[in-house]
This record gives sequence, structure tokens and C-alpha cells, in this order.
Amino acid sequence: EADIYQTPRYLVIGTGKKITLECSQTMGHDKMYWYQQDPGMELHLIHYSYGVNSTEKGDLSSESTVSRIRTEHFPLTLESARPSHTSQYLCASAEGGMYEQYFGPGTRLTVT
Amino acid sequence: QQQVKQSPQSLIVQKGGISIINCAYENTAFDYFPWYQQFPGKGPALLIAIRPDVSEKKEGRFTISFNKSAKQFSLHIMDSQPGDSATYFCAAGGYQKVTFGTGTKLQVIP
Repeated sequence: EADIYQTPRYLVIGTGKKITLECSQTMGHDKMYWYQQDPGMELHLIHYSYGVNSTEKGDLSSESTVSRIRTEHFPLTLESARPSHTSQYLCASAEGGMYEQYFGPGTRLTVT
Repeated sequence: QQQVKQSPQSLIVQKGGISIINCAYENTAFDYFPWYQQFPGKGPALLIAIRPDVSEKKEGRFTISFNKSAKQFSLHIMDSQPGDSATYFCAAGGYQKVTFGTGTKLQVIP
């Protein structure tokens, strides 16, 4: 089982609050990803990183931001949460020369 | 624009039967085609993957069939078991990132 962790696992928060979803991996992987998973299951890539100080926007437009200051840490921040941000957020990582992505357990976010 | 189309959306199979999930892609530059399995409350986990230089890959009861000319690939689960009940995602892409299909919820009934 891959060593990739996400906290919190569940979060219920009010509109307008700033939130940070944490993602950490202990495998030394260079590549990290954030996906948003709809209630209907589909995964959409919202951010990715190839290494420290590298971040790119994904295929799905998102109001969130990310940072990659350390190899093992890839937090996602929402400056002002809205009900439309209610979703499951999945973090993944992959070794630099490899294709396989390892996923964390996800954070289920509900914005009221 | 959806680059990876997956069907069916849901599937019910009797124990011991064959489960078949199909995917089609559009981008001919894709060179990596994985299948992920996701159980409720968990993140997806890689099940099996194929590169376009082979037409079939088998790992235990799971087989990927790949048709490069048709830009299609499929997952076959032989001797399906209740423990296989999960959501399955195909994906296509490359070294940097992949695009996921919409998912298939498989239920294997005893």
C-alpha cells in the first residue's frame, strides 16, 4: 500500500471560509496531483506538480491554488469556500520516471 | 471535450461470470492505458496497465485487450467474485498525466 496521506478525511465548513487540504507522501515521488471527484464518480485533474517549485493547472478549471515547497508536501487551498466546491478531493503521487499514480484516501469536503 | 469514453456506467454480473468494461480514446499520442479500482471510502488503486505496443495483457483474472487502430481498450474480469464489486476507471495518457474515464460501478451478485 502506498504511503500517501490526506487530512482531514472529512470537512464541513461554512461559505466564505479559507481552507487548506493537506497531502503528504513519504515515497520521495517527484510528481504529485490533485483530482476532484464528482458524486457521480468521474475524476478531474485540477492541479499537478513535477517537483519542488513546479505547479501546473489541470484540465478542470478550479478556484483553488497549490504550492510545492517540499517534495513530500502538496497542499491545496481554497481562499473562500462556496457550496459549488462541495466534492471529494483526491491527491496522488508518482515516481519521476514512472507512470503509475498512487492515490491517497481522499478528503470529502462539504461547504454549507 | 471528453477524451476518454467509458461504458457501461453500471454493471451487474453473477458470481463466476465475465465482467467486461469498454473504453475509447481520441488522442493518438497517448501511450499509457491503466485501469484503476476504487472501493467506497478509498482512493483508486492501479489494477493493471498496458502500453500500445501489445494487444493484450493478463494478470490473474484481469485482462486488458487493446485495439490501437480502433482506439479502444477493454477490461475483462474472469470468474468475477463479490469482492470485485467496486468502481472501475479506465484512463489514458502519458508520462506526465492521464485522463480518466467516467467510471463503471460493478456489482457481482452471489
